[in-house]
Amino acid sequence: GQQVMQIPQYQHVQEGEDFTTYCNSSTTLSNIQWYKQRPGGHPVFLIQLVKSGEVKKQKRLTFQFGEAKKNSSLHITATQTTDVGTYFCAGRTSYDKVIFGPGTSLSVIP
Amino acid sequence: GAGVSQSPSNKVTEKGKDVELRCDPISGHTALYWYRQSLGQGLEFLIYFQGNSAPDKSGLPSDRFSAERTGGSVSTLTIQRTQQEDSAVYLCASSRDFNTGELFFGEGSRLTVL
Repeated sequence: GQQVMQIPQYQHVQEGEDFTTYCNSSTTLSNIQWYKQRPGGHPVFLIQLVKSGEVKKQKRLTFQFGEAKKNSSLHITATQTTDVGTYFCAGRTSYDKVIFGPGTSLSVIP
Repeated sequence: GAGVSQSPSNKVTEKGKDVELRCDPISGHTALYWYRQSLGQGLEFLIYFQGNSAPDKSGLPSDRFSAERTGGSVSTLTIQRTQQEDSAVYLCASSRDFNTGELFFGEGSRLTVL
C-alpha cells in the first residue's frame, strides 16, 4: 500500500539554526499537506502544495513539492523556541485517502 | 459547531469491553477521517468517509474495529472486545471536500485499556 516516509525522526537544534525535514511517498500524490503538532496538542494545518515543483513560503518556513510529486520538504530558517513540535507531511492520493508520514520531532535549545 | 468535537476526551476501560468514540465534524464538511496515534508515534490512518459512505476501510486494524457515519455528519468509531494494544489517542478530522483542503482535527479521544 501507499507509504509516506519522513526523515529525520528527531532533530535537536540550537536556537537560530536552520532545520529541514524531508518527506517521500511511494506513490505519486495529488497534493501534499504539512501539519504541526505541539506537545499534548492535535495536528494543525500549515500549508498545502498541489503543483509539481511548487514552492511556498510562510515567514521563516519554506515548503517545496518535488517535480515528480512524490517528495516534499519543509525548511525553517533561524529556528525559535516557538517552532518546537512534530512536523508531519500528509500525502493525498487520487482516491482521497490522506496518509501521514511518521513525523519529525523538532527540539530547539535556547 | 465551531470546530471538530470528539467525545469522550478520556476513556479508561477493561480489556474485553466494547467502546464507542464519537466525532462531530465541522458543519458542512463532507469528508471525515479517523486516525490513531500511539504515544510518541505518527498518525495511523483508520478510515475515511465521503458523506455517509466509506470507500476505504483497509486501515482498520482488525474486524473488532468498525465505524459508521449517519446523516453525513456525526461518526462513531466502535472497538469491540478491546485489547491493551488498542490504547492510543483516536483523532478525528474533517475537511470541506474530498479532493483538497485542509484537515481540521479534534482534540482526540484518549483510550486506555487496562
